[in-house]
Amino acid sequence: AQSVTQLGSHVSVSEGALVLLRCNYSSSVPPYLFWYVQYPNQGLQLLLKYTTGATLVKGINGFEAEFKKSETSFHLTKPSAHMSDAAEYFCAVSVRAGNMLTFGGGTRLMVKP
Amino acid sequence: DTGVSQDPRHKITKRGQNVTFRCDPISEHNRLYWYRQTLGQGPEFLTYFQNEAQLEKSRLLSDRFSAERPKGSFSTLEIQRTEQGDSAMYLCASSLGPGQGHEQYFGPGTRLTVT
Repeated sequence: AQSVTQLGSHVSVSEGALVLLRCNYSSSVPPYLFWYVQYPNQGLQLLLKYTTGATLVKGINGFEAEFKKSETSFHLTKPSAHMSDAAEYFCAVSVRAGNMLTFGGGTRLMVKP
Repeated sequence: DTGVSQDPRHKITKRGQNVTFRCDPISEHNRLYWYRQTLGQGPEFLTYFQNEAQLEKSRLLSDRFSAERPKGSFSTLEIQRTEQGDSAMYLCASSLGPGQGHEQYFGPGTRLTVT
């Protein structure tokens, strides 16, 4: 069975600072990895995904993530935080295309002016 | 192009009542998923359909829960004899069939409150 651990349930950064949200996974087979963002009382929006190929993936809103197999990690970064980035971020893994997602517990990102 | 829609957005019910939620996926998507999200947690998988066939169910899906996708389009999730522990956000997602795409697109969710 696969699992996802997101270190830090709350992360606070200043506007313009680097955003780093951590995600580690466990999977017995090569994983498909995803980051989703959730704004209050809304569903989840896909930020980016890793399936195969290039390990550095770019997503929407200036976010990117790097798949590191040796570290079983898929950390999310953004060079410069905006106030509008304040939301809950979820890392997820699946073991087959189109299969169920297993989510981490989420990280709430707060952006200070 | 419309996204995934869910109805109702909010439902308040008394313990012991039955409730039914509806999900309309993106029209060309073959797969439809149900997840449950409690406050402060990540979504947890409940079940999914490939067209009208229910392919997998989580152990979270007790006997009081039933899901259908009768014509391979919209889906319903019914909870019988609701309990306070059923209070959560119920999320629906859809995706293309296997080999056609990996990402799931989520609806806005139905927030259930059991009093």
